Amino acid sequence: AQTVTQSQPEMSVQEAETVTLSCTYDTSESDYYLFWYKQPPSRQMILVIRQEAYKQQNATENRFSVNFQKAAKSFSLKISDSQLGDAAMYFCAYRFPFSGNTPLVFGKGTRLSVIA
Amino acid sequence: GAGVSQTPSNKVTEKGKYVELRCDPISGHTALYWYRQSLGQGPEFLIYFQGTGAADDSGLPNDRFFAVRPEGSVSTLKIQRTERGDSAVYLCASSLIGGTGETEAFFGQGTRLTVV
Repeated sequence: AQTVTQSQPEMSVQEAETVTLSCTYDTSESDYYLFWYKQPPSRQMILVIRQEAYKQQNATENRFSVNFQKAAKSFSLKISDSQLGDAAMYFCAYRFPFSGNTPLVFGKGTRLSVIA
Repeated sequence: GAGVSQTPSNKVTEKGKYVELRCDPISGHTALYWYRQSLGQGPEFLIYFQGTGAADDSGLPNDRFFAVRPEGSVSTLKIQRTERGDSAVYLCASSLIGGTGETEAFFGQGTRLTVV
């Protein structure tokens, strides 16, 4: 079974600085999708960024980028120019969508605090 | 509607009671997922609907949990004889099916269930 591990329960960053959140996963598949979701106190999971495993180029979305190391099964999220609104829980997730619409497998999350 | 809507937002019930949690997905989304998020954990898969049928209910913890989606739109998660261990946030997500490959899952704000 696939597993996702986030080894940092909590992280903090100064406003305008850069922070990196770690994620490792375990799978025997070669093609799959990886995601980072943000969950603010409102509880709604918001997609931050996604990466297709067959793409070598790391995904970027404005201030958010990933470092995808397929061989190491590592998928870290870098947040640049951190803003107060970035404070939230961040979840790394895996999905293998090639046999029906399979569900997301989530890590336990990292709580990010942004210090003004 | 514009997004996934879940009602109620919060529910407090007594141990042993029956509860229903409702999810109204984005119009036209054929795939619907229920997840359970316990305190300090990431969401865990419960059940997946493709249209009206439950395509995968392997995540339901026991036979006290049941879900329906009779018309392929709104879904109801039903919990009988609630126990204190059922206390959690129940998240619903929907996505548009387009064959194999990734389709983004959109989440509701969840229902926080507290069993006292």
